[in-house]
Amino acid sequence: GDSVTQKQGQVTLSEDDFLFINCTYSTTTYPTLLWYVQYPGQGPQLLLKVTTANNKGISRGFEATYDKGTTSFHLQKASVQESDSAVYFCALGSGTGGYKVVFGSGTRLLVSP
Amino acid sequence: NAGVIQTPRHKVTGKGQEATLWCEPISGHSAVFWYRQTIVQGLEFLTYFRNQAPIDDSGMPKERFSAQMPNQSHSTLKIQSTQPQDSAVYLCASSLEGGRGTEVFFGKGTRLTVV
Repeated sequence: GDSVTQKQGQVTLSEDDFLFINCTYSTTTYPTLLWYVQYPGQGPQLLLKVTTANNKGISRGFEATYDKGTTSFHLQKASVQESDSAVYFCALGSGTGGYKVVFGSGTRLLVSP
Repeated sequence: NAGVIQTPRHKVTGKGQEATLWCEPISGHSAVFWYRQTIVQGLEFLTYFRNQAPIDDSGMPKERFSAQMPNQSHSTLKIQSTQPQDSAVYLCASSLEGGRGTEVFFGKGTRLTVV
């Protein structure tokens, strides 16, 4: 079945540092690749979506890209802020029609001032 | 728009008791999902309804777990004879259509603790 692998369990940065989180995916259909962010006490919320049509998504200073050749996708931000501290999940739209979201294991980002 | 509403936010049950979790999806959304989140397993898909009809329950443990959607404004997840391993945050989510790339909106979850 469809799957997503997210190996970075935690990333610790200082404000204004560059953020890069990498995931790999496996699917038999064309992928809809997603990035979710989860703050304490909240459910995950969609941050970015990348499809084969647009190749890239940008939101709130975050940029998501994917590489079909290596079946990997990435989340990056040029300059993180303390308020970006959260858990970031890469995910894949799965199932017939893509209704099911298959999540990676999450990367906890800690940004110190 | 209050978002997806889940009640209760916290529930403590004794081992062997029944737990019922409630979800009110966003008005007008035809797709409703249940997920479970634990430290060990992460976010796991449980079940999916479209226009109140069960479409995919492949993630539901076959025994003790059941989900229903009696009307378009609420869904329930029932766990019979709860066990300590059922302790988790149960997340309900809804989306407009349930199709590829359609944004899925999550509630804040119900934290279930089985003692």
